Amino acid sequence: QKEVEQDPGPLSVPEGAIVSLNCTYSNSAFQYFMWYRQYSRKGPELLMYTYSSGNKEDGRFTAQVDKSSKYISLFIRDSQPSDSATYLCAMSVGYGGATNKLIFGTGTLLAVQP
Amino acid sequence: ETGVTQTPRHLVMGMTNKKSLKCEQHLGHNAMYWYKQSAKKPLELMFVYSLEERVENNSVPSRFSPECPNSSHLFLHLHTLQPEDSALYLCASSQTPDRANTIYFGEGSWLTVV
Repeated sequence: QKEVEQDPGPLSVPEGAIVSLNCTYSNSAFQYFMWYRQYSRKGPELLMYTYSSGNKEDGRFTAQVDKSSKYISLFIRDSQPSDSATYLCAMSVGYGGATNKLIFGTGTLLAVQP
Repeated sequence: ETGVTQTPRHLVMGMTNKKSLKCEQHLGHNAMYWYKQSAKKPLELMFVYSLEERVENNSVPSRFSPECPNSSHLFLHLHTLQPEDSALYLCASSQTPDRANTIYFGEGSWLTVV
């Protein structure tokens, strides 16, 4: 079983739709949860960063963590064609030690149709 | 100027060639990373450097040889590569290795081995 599972998509939605992107994980020690956005032929950029359980909102984006279910979500409200990209979830155990390894999902390709 | 700059953006090399990828970060970070991104696979951490010292080597074949002459520059020397090494190679940096959960990526170097 992979440590982090993410549906690769592609996910196609009309402009203005609410998008839900999800990842599940197996390591209950993960405490830091990140979402990266990667446009075609570009490097990933950090979109949202959440510690432990709960919700975090930033504009049209909401990150949600449910540690009891080992499930994280990214919601995009009023989706725009400019949101079309691959969304990568990533997580780590925490600080400390020589390195704090990030474990990534495979990414979900999102296409928002105008 | 972007925070993490990679050159070249695209590289095609034969299996007997020797080439190098270059990365420079302008963020004042002390940790730098090489990641490999292949289609439909999670990002794979290859190497981690902290203040020019290699702190992690994730069982990467010796045909990949990293070099970190100072905390702002990172190289990946390539020799006798295989076609399966064709991928996007991403450089990244963070303030310290234990803050890997907030890393900044470059735009990547697309490598094709023929």
